[in-house]
Amino acid sequence: ETGVTQTPRHLVMGMTNKKSLKCEQHLGHNAMYWYKQSAKKPLELMFVYSLEERVENNSVPSRFSPECPNSSHLFLHLHTLQPEDSALYLCASSQVVRDSPLHFGNGTRLTVT
Amino acid sequence: EDKVVQSPLSLVVHEGDTVTLNCSYEVTNFRSLLWYKQEKKAPTFLFMLTSSGIEKKSGRLSSILDKKELFSILNITATQTGDSAVYLCAVVDGGTSYGKLTFGQGTILTVHP
Repeated sequence: ETGVTQTPRHLVMGMTNKKSLKCEQHLGHNAMYWYKQSAKKPLELMFVYSLEERVENNSVPSRFSPECPNSSHLFLHLHTLQPEDSALYLCASSQVVRDSPLHFGNGTRLTVT
Repeated sequence: EDKVVQSPLSLVVHEGDTVTLNCSYEVTNFRSLLWYKQEKKAPTFLFMLTSSGIEKKSGRLSSILDKKELFSILNITATQTGDSAVYLCAVVDGGTSYGKLTFGQGTILTVHP
């Protein structure tokens, strides 16, 4: 148990489907993140919510839509994805103070067919 | 744009060997450097380094930062098969309120019995 829980663990979806990834943190943190991890590429920051406000949208296509209803929950809504969006999607949380490391969830392995 | 380069990209050793992993970086507003270990799931936090020349140590793992030459090393002595993982280096940009992380591509370490 990492303190950051992601569901589902695996997801296979067609390009016309709509699905959502869910993340919940039990650490009392006030910042949450979505990262994308593709094979042989560095972790890419997608979105950041700090104190429930989106503070980073790292040139992510509009087919990815984040939602942060409170400081403990984060969603990533997916629609009309492309095969190149297949990757491991990692959620993380941290405390917005100096020198607080990120704590990651186990990720959702997404395959777009 | 912040940049982190890790080397080697992959490394294969035998149990008992000592390994050194390298991380060089370019960041506009350096706050700290972090090392993570990833074994197929969530990256787990190893070290945070903020000051040059001060070694951080945890069991057989140690790490040090050189802010003048802009690099860090992660040492693992007496390696074990359980050390097999991807080791990720990341730098924190102090120019954002939440501490934006930029990751390297990782070093894949394989330890054979």
